[in-house]
Amino acid sequence: NAGVTQTPKFRVLKTGQSMTLLCAQDMNHEYMYWYRQDPGMGLRLIHYSVGEGTTAKGEVPDGYNVSRLKKQNFLLGLESAAPSQTSVYFCASGGGNTEAFFGQGTRLTVV
Amino acid sequence: GESVGLHLPTLSVQEGDNSIINCAYSNSASDYFIWYKQESGKGPQFIIDIRSNMDKRQGQRVTVLLNKTVKHLSLQIAATQPGDSAVYFCAERNGGTSYGKLTFGQGTILTVHP
Repeated sequence: NAGVTQTPKFRVLKTGQSMTLLCAQDMNHEYMYWYRQDPGMGLRLIHYSVGEGTTAKGEVPDGYNVSRLKKQNFLLGLESAAPSQTSVYFCASGGGNTEAFFGQGTRLTVV
Repeated sequence: GESVGLHLPTLSVQEGDNSIINCAYSNSASDYFIWYKQESGKGPQFIIDIRSNMDKRQGQRVTVLLNKTVKHLSLQIAATQPGDSAVYFCAERNGGTSYGKLTFGQGTILTVHP
């Protein structure tokens, strides 16, 4: 009964490096989301998807790209990491008639 | 408990009191609202939800009220317990042209004193 699984849980990147965060859900949800949460702040929406093959920009999309090639997976990419992208990243999935379920987060530090 | 810039608003209560956490939402096209609880180091956990065709919904010790006229949402927690101490967020989901988009309010820190 995995729910929403994020990989990796922790990562340290050097400025300019690239990486991909993976989110996988096993609940057959249509909607998936990527958020970032900075200390003492709320969750800000980076990108979201309302179905396989679709993506849309959220509130803070700059510097990130996403892909939803399979319904169960939602990938978040950082092409050239910057210290301003140091944050905790949360993935969530939900359906039209259900709330969004969250993963445990990925703590990313860019040095 | 409204958003005030970069600092989360706080609410301190005594154990056994009732707590009310408020949230203003922005989009009249939002059709679904959710309250989440987040404990330190964890992802947000669902508490209760409400659809835009309702104005009140009750769960176990929690009640959500929705006032669409003034775009206001509140969470009431009855007989607050120390385990309720956490950050509480409201979220709104867009039902219009950006359907499915789920955005969060700034959050309120609830501290329950024994």
